[in-house]
Amino acid sequence: QLQLQESGPGLVKASETLSLSCTISGGSFSTTTYSWAWVRQPPGKGLEWIATFYYGGNTYYSPSLMGRVTLSVDTSKNLFSMRLKSVTAADTAVYYCARYDYEFDYWGQGTLVTVSS
Amino acid sequence: QSVLTQPPSMSAAPGQEVTISCSGSSSNIGKNYVSWYQQLPGTAPKLLIFENDKRQSGIPDRFSGSKSGTSATLAITGLQTGDEADYFCGTWDIGLRAAVFGGGTKLTVL
Repeated sequence: QLQLQESGPGLVKASETLSLSCTISGGSFSTTTYSWAWVRQPPGKGLEWIATFYYGGNTYYSPSLMGRVTLSVDTSKNLFSMRLKSVTAADTAVYYCARYDYEFDYWGQGTLVTVSS
Repeated sequence: QSVLTQPPSMSAAPGQEVTISCSGSSSNIGKNYVSWYQQLPGTAPKLLIFENDKRQSGIPDRFSGSKSGTSATLAITGLQTGDEADYFCGTWDIGLRAAVFGGGTKLTVL
């Protein structure tokens, strides 16, 4: 059974860069067959798509976050990462990594990131 | 303001049926598959329905999805208290070039 696990700091200072990683286990971490994505959820609010690394090699970013977010992949470590720079309180959220196959079919448990002023 | 519109909340009694709507436009639902997710309190979202009407493995047939034009619907029959959760619809928007979600519907089973 494919499992995804997010990791990273729970607290980030405003204006700094948030870095999160997603470790994939129990299945294939293929970047030639599957796409991998990040989604976040501010406390008490809905889901917001951040970005998707497509198996064809292209990466699509949310228009509202483009320019601040970067995705990277390390297939040798089964690792999928994101960096979000210049964070503000509005970036406080639970961040999820997920496998994307025209739908988000596998999700990590999520990690809460709080941005402090 | 979400690109896809869902009712914020719905409620029904155990054993009854509920339908949750998801309204979009010709640039999203009208052109692409819709998926539905269930988020139980304090947990990650779980895929229920993909490609408009296909149930994910392990999802009971009490859950069904449909799409017509620029709207989609999730139906849940034989409601159980364990179905109390937030439900989100999602799709791709070709104009925004972005994955989009509905704002979510909080289902209460009275």
